[in-house]
Amino acid sequence: NAGVTQTPKFQVLKTGQSMTLQCAQDMNHEYMSWYRQDPGMGLRLIHYSVGAGITDQGEVPNGYNVSRSTTEDFPLRLLSAAPSQTSVYFCASKGPGQTEAFFGQGTRLTVV
Amino acid sequence: GQQLNQSPQSMFIQEGEDVSMNCTSSSIFNTWLWYKQDPGEGPVLLIALYKAGELTSNGRLTAQFGITRKDSFLNISASIPSDVGIYFCAGRLPGGATNKLIFGTGTLLAVQP
Repeated sequence: NAGVTQTPKFQVLKTGQSMTLQCAQDMNHEYMSWYRQDPGMGLRLIHYSVGAGITDQGEVPNGYNVSRSTTEDFPLRLLSAAPSQTSVYFCASKGPGQTEAFFGQGTRLTVV
Repeated sequence: GQQLNQSPQSMFIQEGEDVSMNCTSSSIFNTWLWYKQDPGEGPVLLIALYKAGELTSNGRLTAQFGITRKDSFLNISASIPSDVGIYFCAGRLPGGATNKLIFGTGTLLAVQP
């Protein structure tokens, strides 16, 4: 009963540090996305992928990189963390023809 | 970036009361979705709407796709304590990538037993 798995669940970074948020899904979904959730802002799309080897920018891509080398994994990289990137990050996936996006449990990131 | 206007921002109600929340946009959407988020969890889909005027129920929940395609509402009847959470609307623009959703700002629902 895995679905979409995000790691870590919590992370504290210092300004300027780099890290990768992991996202894996075991449903063979083609579409995967990363969102950030901030108070009063809802969820905003960072990057998305329509399949292995294909990625594209969402609404707020600056400061983040992604890659999609396999169908299962869609890591989100912060190259130089900034306090403005303090947020809760959600990964989501969706199969072709499906409306529903399955969300992971989120990664709460604090940049100090 | 584009966001949906969702209201109310929060609601504090007594158990058994009915609840209504809505989302509006200046743009036309071809899909409306309603999600619920429990504390510490990711959003979970409640109802999906695909056609203007569509009215869909899921247990005590009912949602409608506005006839103008620019709005949607969600009703919860006879609320219970486990209805507590944040409710988000989300929409998909015509011609947009199928997994690109625009989310509302959320409605926080608190239910007092």
